[in-house]
Amino acid sequence: KNEVEQSPQNLTAQEGEFITINCSYSVGISALHWLQQHPGGGIVSLFMLSSGKKKHGRLIATINIQEKHSSLHITASHPRDSAVYICAVRRNTGNQFYFGTGTSLTVIP
Amino acid sequence: NAGVTQTPKFQVLKTGQSMTLQCAQDMNHEYMSWYRQDPGMGLRLIHYSVGAGITDQGEVPNGYNVSRSTTEDFPLRLLSAAPSQTSVYFCASSPWQGTTADTQYFGPGTRLTVL
Repeated sequence: KNEVEQSPQNLTAQEGEFITINCSYSVGISALHWLQQHPGGGIVSLFMLSSGKKKHGRLIATINIQEKHSSLHITASHPRDSAVYICAVRRNTGNQFYFGTGTSLTVIP
Repeated sequence: NAGVTQTPKFQVLKTGQSMTLQCAQDMNHEYMSWYRQDPGMGLRLIHYSVGAGITDQGEVPNGYNVSRSTTEDFPLRLLSAAPSQTSVYFCASSPWQGTTADTQYFGPGTRLTVL
C-alpha cells in the first residue's frame, strides 16, 4: 500500500481550463511537497506546505491536515503546463520522503 | 550556482559490474538523498544523509552503498549490478533545519540500464 495516493493518474484539458489534482496520504506528516516533472525528465519543486494555502502565479496549493488531503490547482491552463505533477510527503517521524506516482497532465491548445 | 549535478547522464552496465553514480551540490545543503524512479511507481528513497559522515537507509537500499565525506558530494555505488536496478536515478539536496528538511532541489537524473 502506498502512503501517498494521487488522482487522477492522467488528465487532459483544453487550454484555459481550471485544473485540480488531488493528493491523499495516510501517515502523519511534517510537510507536503508538490513537484513538477517535465517531459525531459527534470524535477522542480513547486510548493512546500505544512498548513493552509500557497499561491505562485497560476498555481495554487492547499492542504487540509485533518483530512490528510492536498490539492494542486492550475488556473487558466496552458500547453506549457503539460508535465507530470508529483505529490510527496515528509513523515513527522524520521527523515524520509514518500512520493505519489504522479499525475500526467496534457493541456491541448 | 550549478545547483545539483549528476554524472553520468546515461550508463549501460552488464550484470555483475560495479559503478558509482556521482552527485554534487554547491548550495551548502546538509540533506542529500538518492531516489530511483521506475515506470508506474513513485520516486523511492534509496539512501539519504543529513550531513557529512552521516548516512541512513531509505525504502530500497539493497544493492547500493553511499558515503558522505564532504558536504558537497554524495556518491551512490552499485556493488554488483542487476537488471532489477535498471532505472532512472535522481539525486536531491535541501537545507536541513535540525528536524525539518526544506524544499528539495533535484539533479537532472542518470538513466541506467543493466543488461
